Amino acid sequence: NAGVTQTPKFRILKIGQSMTLQCAQDMNHNYMYWYRQDPGMGLKLIYYSVGAGITDKGEVPNGYNVSRSTTEDFPLRLELAAPSQTSVYFCASSYADLLSPLHFGNGTRLTVT
Amino acid sequence: GIQVEQSPPDLILQEGANSTLRCNFSDSVNNLQWFHQNPWGQLINLFYIPSGTKQNGRLSATTVATERYSLLYISSSQTTDSGVYFCAVVGNDKIIFGKGTRLHILP
Repeated sequence: NAGVTQTPKFRILKIGQSMTLQCAQDMNHNYMYWYRQDPGMGLKLIYYSVGAGITDKGEVPNGYNVSRSTTEDFPLRLELAAPSQTSVYFCASSYADLLSPLHFGNGTRLTVT
Repeated sequence: GIQVEQSPPDLILQEGANSTLRCNFSDSVNNLQWFHQNPWGQLINLFYIPSGTKQNGRLSATTVATERYSLLYISSSQTTDSGVYFCAVVGNDKIIFGKGTRLHILP
């Protein structure tokens, strides 16, 4: 099993550009999450999904959108990139619910200039 | 909301030393996990430990839910143990991360 796979690993965007961060898991996990980690800080939840077709906002959803059309995939969309969105983005999944162990992808480092 | 505090924020040790990292939380929680973020940024799940004690090689963890804390023990530290250690709790239907303890093991 590959686990949680994120692409791309690195990306530089100009202000106002848009992009989609991809996340896929092959563990048949129901729950999927997007976090951002700013330098020297912990993780903040952007969006999460409890199953295909269901998404909900986390702590810091502004400027982002998500969709969950399949169990495996949970892409994160930035529509109008801003310098404040410069961060490392982590996708994670868990099997059944919030109480299940979290498995993280390797992250996407995004710079907006 | 639930507050999660980790201590110490930074720790520098010589290779071979032992260390104890602490995670305090402000309210009842349903779960607790410990993660290691290595110098390359990867986040690895170390322990899933809502209560009790678990051991995995040189690492062990203890959670005392009634007293609202968890401890991560690292024995005979190696340079590969360097990185940031996070605890995360589940409370009020949310997963909440602490700010982490940055551990630097000197060769």
